[in-house]
Amino acid sequence: EAQVTQNPRYLITVTGKKLTVTCSQNMNHEYMSWYRQDPGLGLRQIYYSMNVEVTDKGDVPEGYKVSRKEKRNFPLILESPSPNQTSLYFCASRGGGEAFFGQGTRLTVV
Amino acid sequence: GQNIDQPTEMTATEGAIVQINCTYQTSGFNGLFWYQQHAGEAPTFLSYNVLDGLEEKGRFSSFLSRSKGYSYLLLKELQMKDSASYLCASSSNSGYALNFGKGTSLLVTP
Repeated sequence: EAQVTQNPRYLITVTGKKLTVTCSQNMNHEYMSWYRQDPGLGLRQIYYSMNVEVTDKGDVPEGYKVSRKEKRNFPLILESPSPNQTSLYFCASRGGGEAFFGQGTRLTVV
Repeated sequence: GQNIDQPTEMTATEGAIVQINCTYQTSGFNGLFWYQQHAGEAPTFLSYNVLDGLEEKGRFSSFLSRSKGYSYLLLKELQMKDSASYLCASSSNSGYALNFGKGTSLLVTP
């Protein structure tokens, strides 16, 4: 079954404690991206990757890092999380057609 | 980017028909997606239009006019479970990125 898997689904952490949200896809897609979704603001792209070792900033990259060492994995790293990064995060991958989304990670930074 | 405009909220009655409009900038446009998203869940793919015209898929249809930079999603025989946010997204001819609108929150009432 074609899917994008992200973990964890829910995470509560404290300000400044580094965390990683994992994302993996099984469709051999070259393109992967991370979004955050906040009320009234819709989906905003954080980072994207066109292929292995190729990553680029989206619309809201500040405070985030990503890596793409393998085609299937695209982790999102928050080196020093802050409360304004409390949000719902989605990973997505895309071939030539529709984009497939992971289940979402609800992050709360206190 | 390709600015996407869609209404913020709509309300319709169970059993009725509702049309959700979306306008986008035509420069570099390639195709138009519609996604459904229930609160706290991942967006799920509904339709993808590349050519002008109406595409019907069960109770849902999507229309595209490339020259006018306009699309709509038509939902027939509304059911309570159709209460959700509907996201319009455009793809460009320069890559795989999707540009999302802020979504239209549809409430179906008895």
